[in-house]
Amino acid sequence: RKEVEQDPGPFNVPEGATVAFNCTYSNSASQSFFWYRQDCRKEPKLLMSVYSSGNEDGRFTAQLNRASQYISLLIRDSKLSDSATYLCVVNVYKLSFGAGTTVTVRA
Amino acid sequence: DAGVTQSPTHLIKTRGQQVTLRCSPKSGHDTVSWYQQALGQGPQFIFQYYEEEERQRGNFPDRFSGHQFPNYSSELNVNALLLGDSALYLCASSPKGDGVYGYTFGSGTRLTVV
Repeated sequence: RKEVEQDPGPFNVPEGATVAFNCTYSNSASQSFFWYRQDCRKEPKLLMSVYSSGNEDGRFTAQLNRASQYISLLIRDSKLSDSATYLCVVNVYKLSFGAGTTVTVRA
Repeated sequence: DAGVTQSPTHLIKTRGQQVTLRCSPKSGHDTVSWYQQALGQGPQFIFQYYEEEERQRGNFPDRFSGHQFPNYSSELNVNALLLGDSALYLCASSPKGDGVYGYTFGSGTRLTVV
């Protein structure tokens, strides 16, 4: 079983739409959780950390369910610039990445 | 404040050759991790260096080795290159070995093995 399994997408949504996707992780000892964003042929960049109580950063909302070992990301009011691959990441002693969810926002 | 710097940015090698990739961590960071990202996949952990020692290692063969220097910079060496080693190699640094504070990634070295 992969350490992090992600909803593969792709998600193709119009500007202004809401899009949500999730991932599951296998190691219950995982200590911290993140969503990274990766643009084509670029390095991953931290989008936001994910906390147990859930957290928002502008149009982005992340949720963590430790009991189900499930993480989600919701993007509201999608912008063209949100088009990217979103990587679900969990940390024990190292970062373990999902394969990424591709989101394309169309005009 | 310079972020993580990797060199070279692109590299083409022939099967069987050896390659060395370099990474300078972000100022104030002392832990360096290396990742391999094949096309269409998420980054896969190779190993992590802290205090000049390999602290953790992923599921990669011994052909992959590394080093960390006293100034915290690091090298990744790959021997006997295979076509399957073609990938983006990412270096990430963090301020403490536990990774709680998150990582900063370099822009990567794109290695092509022909």
